[in-house]
Amino acid sequence: DAGVTQSPTHLIKTRGQQVTLRCSPKSGHDTVSWYQQALGQGPQFIFQYYEEEERQRGNFPDRFSGHQFPNYSSELNVNALLLGDSALYLCASSFGGQPQHFGDGTRLSIL
Amino acid sequence: AQSVTQLDSHVSVSEGTPVLLRCNYSSSYSPSLFWYVQHPNKGLQLLLKYTSAATLVKGINGFEAEFKKSETSFHLTKPSAHMSDAAEYFCVVSGAGGSYIPTFGRGTSLIVHP
Repeated sequence: DAGVTQSPTHLIKTRGQQVTLRCSPKSGHDTVSWYQQALGQGPQFIFQYYEEEERQRGNFPDRFSGHQFPNYSSELNVNALLLGDSALYLCASSFGGQPQHFGDGTRLSIL
Repeated sequence: AQSVTQLDSHVSVSEGTPVLLRCNYSSSYSPSLFWYVQHPNKGLQLLLKYTSAATLVKGINGFEAEFKKSETSFHLTKPSAHMSDAAEYFCVVSGAGGSYIPTFGRGTSLIVHP
């Protein structure tokens, strides 16, 4: 049984570009959350998707957007990249309010 | 509003000695509290959770935590450290009432010496 899978594992972009990160939830999970983890910090909640809609959102600008597909997989899109967007981006999935299962993350570096 | 403070950025222990990782929280609601572990270049793994049942919570790999409402604390302990316990540990608080936005602490790095 595959857990949460994220792609790509690493990504290098330049300022001003746009990026899309992908997440496949654990089998049986229907809720996907995205987090940003800067170096040396704890993860910060970006948003959560359920039934293809954004259900909760943290304190992140509109440059950060997402999508959930009918198969529960999800994408995180970031526009107009800034140097400060360099971070590990974590996806977590859950079902029925149970604790989340995390993927290994996508390491995004902005040059 | 809710917040969580991990009182130590680094904790260093010898293998076989007890582990104590400290966490204080604040929450306007009855909180749900969690501890997660993160090994290098990996995602987070749930160690244990408190959701208003027993105040002493047992988790995986011999870890446990005690919820103390009067002290607003949720410290993580383990009787005997193993080398494989070396990792980053995060305390997390989540509010009740249908609004789920978890707040993570900044993390405590556990160093285990042979």
